[in-house]
Amino acid sequence: GAGVSQSPSNKVTEKGKDVELRCDPISGHTALYWYRQRLGQGLEFLIYFQGNSAPDKSGLPSDRFSAERTGESVSTLTIQRTQQEDSAVYLCASSLLRAGEQYFGPGTRLTVT
Amino acid sequence: AQSVTQLDSHVSVSEGTPVLLRCNYSSSYSPSLFWYVQHPNKGLQLLLKYTSAATLVKGINGFEAEFKKSETSFHLTKPSAHMSDAAEYFCVVSGGSGGGADGLTFGKGTHLIIQP
Repeated sequence: GAGVSQSPSNKVTEKGKDVELRCDPISGHTALYWYRQRLGQGLEFLIYFQGNSAPDKSGLPSDRFSAERTGESVSTLTIQRTQQEDSAVYLCASSLLRAGEQYFGPGTRLTVT
Repeated sequence: AQSVTQLDSHVSVSEGTPVLLRCNYSSSYSPSLFWYVQHPNKGLQLLLKYTSAATLVKGINGFEAEFKKSETSFHLTKPSAHMSDAAEYFCVVSGGSGGGADGLTFGKGTHLIIQP
């Protein structure tokens, strides 16, 4: 079946511009997670959704970052006024149940110039 | 708070020889532990997971890991390395600080190099 998909696969943007990253989880998965992976680093947790609500936003690095989820499906991660330190691969994962095994998408590589 | 330490940033072995990737964790309660693999330009794939059942966990592609509570370790092993095993490997613990209530806390990764 279809896995987790993310779009775009690559995004190059100028410093100061806003970007939107999209995640389509596996159908029926109630939990959705966003992570950031900087070059040569492990994954950094950003935010977690259970259904359409986000009980844990503790990982968002600043108020320039926000995320929403609608229809217990698609999620969008928005970064406003991008900075060069935002350059990273942004990964989305979903799981059938809370605390279940997570399935990862291929990621969006964001480059801020 | 939970954390994961991968003791080696790079490991190089010859094809056909054993692989050992070391991982130590700290947790305030019984954790769930995972190993994920990331091949170049590909998504993360779950290799295996420990969730308080058998302490020796078998995964895909001949990998296995042993949960040792007394040593707070969850080392990943494979008896005989194959060229296709070259990738980045992440040891992961579920939940806690940095990972959200149900998110994952990742180690910094071990880059496995296979010499022909």
